[in-house]
Amino acid sequence: DVKVTQSSRYLVKRTGEKVFLECVQDMDHENMFWYRQDPGLGLRLIYFSYDVKMKEKGDIPEGYSVSREKKERFSLILESASTNQTSMYLCASSLVGATNEKLFFGSGTQLSVL
Amino acid sequence: KQEVTQIPAALSVPEGENLVLNCSFTDSAIYNLQWFRQDPGKGLTSLLLIQSSQREQTSGRLNASLDKSSGRSTLYIAASQPGDSATYLCAVRQGGSEKLVFGKGTKLTVNP
Repeated sequence: DVKVTQSSRYLVKRTGEKVFLECVQDMDHENMFWYRQDPGLGLRLIYFSYDVKMKEKGDIPEGYSVSREKKERFSLILESASTNQTSMYLCASSLVGATNEKLFFGSGTQLSVL
Repeated sequence: KQEVTQIPAALSVPEGENLVLNCSFTDSAIYNLQWFRQDPGKGLTSLLLIQSSQREQTSGRLNASLDKSSGRSTLYIAASQPGDSATYLCAVRQGGSEKLVFGKGTKLTVNP
């Protein structure tokens, strides 16, 4: 089974801190995604990567950056955390170019910025 | 821009009932559509994926249908159980894109 692992289940950070959220997948998937999920707003795509060192902005990239130095690892970086970045963050992965390939999600990281 | 809508936002049914969850999308140029399940505080689990050329997919008590021309999909759950209680989300993958567009989900409660 595909496994997508997010390094932290819960995180509490202070405003202004630099925050790293890590995601690792074990199925050699080319595509990796970072979403945030908020009540009433649903899932919103922050960033997407289709290969090592390749990235594409999603719908809400402001205040975030990403890093993909290795195929299996995709990191989300909050350069200076703010309270409006308190949210559930979900990482996902999939194969590229396959019409019948499912999207696999990690368990999520609930981030609280105080 | 693709928009995905799920109605109702919440549904409560007694155990044993057959039920249908609805998903509609505005742009019919999709590659596929997925149905996901999400338990509280957890990630999403893919339940069924329907390719754009298919009409339906089945897995156990779940059956998902797709009508691309009308921009609709349904998830049918037979003989519902309390363990089916969760939020169900649908998502479409657009033509020419690897990205998915998600609906906001239907929160299902199955009462014993």
